[in-house]
Amino acid sequence: KAGVTQTPRYLIKTRGQQVTLSCSPISGHRSVSWYQQTPGQGLQFLFEYFSETQRNKGNFPGRFSGRQFSNSRSEMNVSTLELGDSALYLCASSSNPGSQPQHFGDGTRLSIL
Amino acid sequence: QKEVEQNSGPLSVPEGAIASLNCTYSDRGSQSFFWYRQYSGKSPELIMSIYSNGDKEDGRFTAQLNKASQYVSLLIRDSQPSDSATYLCAVNMDSNYQLIWGAGTKLIIKP
Repeated sequence: KAGVTQTPRYLIKTRGQQVTLSCSPISGHRSVSWYQQTPGQGLQFLFEYFSETQRNKGNFPGRFSGRQFSNSRSEMNVSTLELGDSALYLCASSSNPGSQPQHFGDGTRLSIL
Repeated sequence: QKEVEQNSGPLSVPEGAIASLNCTYSDRGSQSFFWYRQYSGKSPELIMSIYSNGDKEDGRFTAQLNKASQYVSLLIRDSQPSDSATYLCAVNMDSNYQLIWGAGTKLIIKP
């Protein structure tokens, strides 16, 4: 069974640009969560999608948005990039909201110059 | 503010000894508690979950939960160099199942 796939693995952008990250969950998983990870900050929850609907949202500005498609694949978009957005963005899938374990992808490392 | 606190470490433990990792949480009504392990450059993976007070053992790992004192611990017996990683504590604090994560404790097992 294929794991969670995140693309791209690495991304370099400049301030003010926008970026779209993609996540394909494990087959059959319908819940997808996104996290931002920075050194010393742990995992900061961005949002969770289930059945194409956003169920939960973390305390991030509106520049961070996401969506989920009918095949459960999810994208997150960050507009007007800032230096502080440099981080590892992790996607995790589970069969249903609250199901454990969450299976994580390898992440997208975003660097803002 | 819902919070999960962990000592960032690094926690250095000799090989073969017991490693003890601690986590405290702010919401007394929390029901589900999880320990994830994250190797350097890798993504987190679930190693233990615990839902009721007391101890839960799985191989060399034991999770301990004390809801009255609002802490959860992870013990690793007979520590191996391969246990060197960052250990993340995650707590489910509400009915929406959203996990609140600690910043993680870096564990180093010295041969």
